[in-house]
Amino acid sequence: DIVMTQSPDSLAVSLGERATINCKSSQSVLYSSDNKNYLAWYQQKPGQPPKLLIYWASTRESGVPDRFSGSGSGTDFTLTISSLQAEDVALYYCHQYYSTPYTFGQGTKLEIK
Amino acid sequence: QVELVQSGAEVKKPGASVKVSCKASGYTFSSYGISWVRQAPGQGLEWMGWISADNGNTNYAQKLQGRVTMTTDTSTSTAYMELRSLRSDDTAVYYCARGGENDYRDYWGQGTLVTVSS
Repeated sequence: DIVMTQSPDSLAVSLGERATINCKSSQSVLYSSDNKNYLAWYQQKPGQPPKLLIYWASTRESGVPDRFSGSGSGTDFTLTISSLQAEDVALYYCHQYYSTPYTFGQGTKLEIK
Repeated sequence: QVELVQSGAEVKKPGASVKVSCKASGYTFSSYGISWVRQAPGQGLEWMGWISADNGNTNYAQKLQGRVTMTTDTSTSTAYMELRSLRSDDTAVYYCARGGENDYRDYWGQGTLVTVSS
């Protein structure tokens, strides 16, 4: 199984500042035949289902604010929120869909400092 | 607009079975797989498996093999997840999500709380 490890477990950032969440996979999720990283990022608020933010490691889902961006390749990935807003307080998960069982990171709790 | 609407909360006794439904609308049901993901109270997300709404092919998480069955009814655009021999550690919110093999899950149902308690 591919293990997804996020860092940090929790993060407090001031409003308007940058927030960075890292995700490392135990093996590469880059598929050589299509040169795509099978990695997504989700945001989850209490009592709600996860919301897709980023797929293919760096493609922003329609309707997601452009302050959210994804980067990385192979085994190391980053979700960046360029200017933190109050509504961004949530849990964030990375997720690999390269091979089954598809797995998620343990989550990163983002709070306002 | 794409929508996945799940059935309501369930309370079951250990050893019983539960079947959760997920009715899809707003897209061609057979063009996408449906995945099931669960989340125990205060815990992270666990992928349970997926089913192709086109041909019924399934892929289940190894730890649930033999206890879980995923099916679809294309006539009603509904997916089902049945979990048998329930244990207390099966207590969780169960989500359906659009997206199957080697695909991200883009739209999610609202979740169904299944509580297993004697």
